[in-house]
Amino acid sequence: DIVMTQSPATLPVSPGERATLSCRASQSVSNNLAWHQQKAGQPPRLLIYDASTRATGIPARFSGSGSGTNFSLTISSLQSEDFAVYYCHQYNNWPQTFGQGTEVEIK
Amino acid sequence: QVQLVQSGAEVKKPGSSVKVSCKASGGTFNTDAISWVRQAPGQGLEWMGGIIPIFGTANYAQKFQGRVTITADESTSTAYMELSSLRSEDTALYYCARGPVVVAKSYYYYMDVWGKGTTVTVSS
Repeated sequence: DIVMTQSPATLPVSPGERATLSCRASQSVSNNLAWHQQKAGQPPRLLIYDASTRATGIPARFSGSGSGTNFSLTISSLQSEDFAVYYCHQYNNWPQTFGQGTEVEIK
Repeated sequence: QVQLVQSGAEVKKPGSSVKVSCKASGGTFNTDAISWVRQAPGQGLEWMGGIIPIFGTANYAQKFQGRVTITADESTSTAYMELSSLRSEDTALYYCARGPVVVAKSYYYYMDVWGKGTTVTVSS
């Protein structure tokens, strides 16, 4: 199975600041990489697919980059509603696998 | 607009089975993929398997092979996930999620719409 490793586990950020989350795959997943946001008590929500394409209705402050084994999610200016857990997810190989998550918390 | 409505919470005894349903409205059920993902209390997301109804066959994570069966009823736009030989470690929130299928050299799919989840509690 492909192991997805996210860093850091927790990211303290002040509102208005920029946040960059990292995700590394144990082998190449091409650009078949998604990012999901999950708030407490809610299901995940797709933010980014194909490594860099924003899903419908996702604000432009969210951007994804990378290919192969190294990926990142950037939130350009944190809003109060962005404090949540973020998961990367590879769908290039079976089984699909998720990272362990990065919690973006208020600094 | 695609919506996924999952069945209600379940409480099961160890060794029994549970079957969770996921009814889709909107979208193109037959040609979309439905995945099942679970989340144990306080833990991350775990992909269990998925199905493309028009293909009929499901893919499963090795971890659940032999214990999980994913099916789809095109006539009612409903997908099902049945998990057998339940143990306490199967206590979790089970999500269905739908996504478009991309066919290239092979095929792949991700999840762009998630259901609200079904809580399954396994306890004696």
